[in-house]
Amino acid sequence: AQRVTQPEKLLSVFKGAPVELKCNYSYSGSPELFWYVQYSRQRLQLLLRHISRESIKGFTADLNKGETSFHLKKPFAQEEDSAMYYCAPQGGKLIFGQGTELSVKP
Amino acid sequence: NAGVTQTPKFRILKIGQSMTLQCTQDMNHNYMYWYRQDPGMGLKLIYYSVGAGITDKGEVPNGYNVSRSTTEDFPLRLELAAPSQTSVYFCASSYSGQGAGSTDTQYFGPGTRLTVL
Repeated sequence: AQRVTQPEKLLSVFKGAPVELKCNYSYSGSPELFWYVQYSRQRLQLLLRHISRESIKGFTADLNKGETSFHLKKPFAQEEDSAMYYCAPQGGKLIFGQGTELSVKP
Repeated sequence: NAGVTQTPKFRILKIGQSMTLQCTQDMNHNYMYWYRQDPGMGLKLIYYSVGAGITDKGEVPNGYNVSRSTTEDFPLRLELAAPSQTSVYFCASSYSGQGAGSTDTQYFGPGTRLTVL
């Protein structure tokens, strides 16, 4: 069955600290991998997509096919990074993780 | 471009009432989707459409209906509202998607917060 797990519901870090949001998935075939972000009172929007290999707002995501993980990382968190983050493996079936709320404290 | 627009923003329904959530996109996307977002549960796909006249069920379709008469519009209908349908509803669109050879970035609307009492 297609499944995605974001093990942390809430992740709280201080400004300037490194941050890693975990995503593990189980998916038949080779899904395309996305991270979406939802800032307070805003709509969901694309943060990054694995196939484009871009770094957006300082975030990168490492795909580990052996572990089927797609963790999101940023070396120095900023207060404006506080948001809900959704990991989304997408292929024949579109699924979203449960979301991780990132809180960056000053 | 307005992108994906949804109306209304908020709505309170009584049990058994019906309503239609509107969704329009102006990006000429073939694919359109309806999701519901419940706290701690992520997004669940309700229905999707691969083009005008073609719709299909997602993961949680019970209690909902959709239609797609034009490329731009994809309304979601609740016939007999139940408290379990209290949720935030998001419409989204993309060039390609579920069931296609590749999946493209989805663009989301602002959401409709629905409460059923």
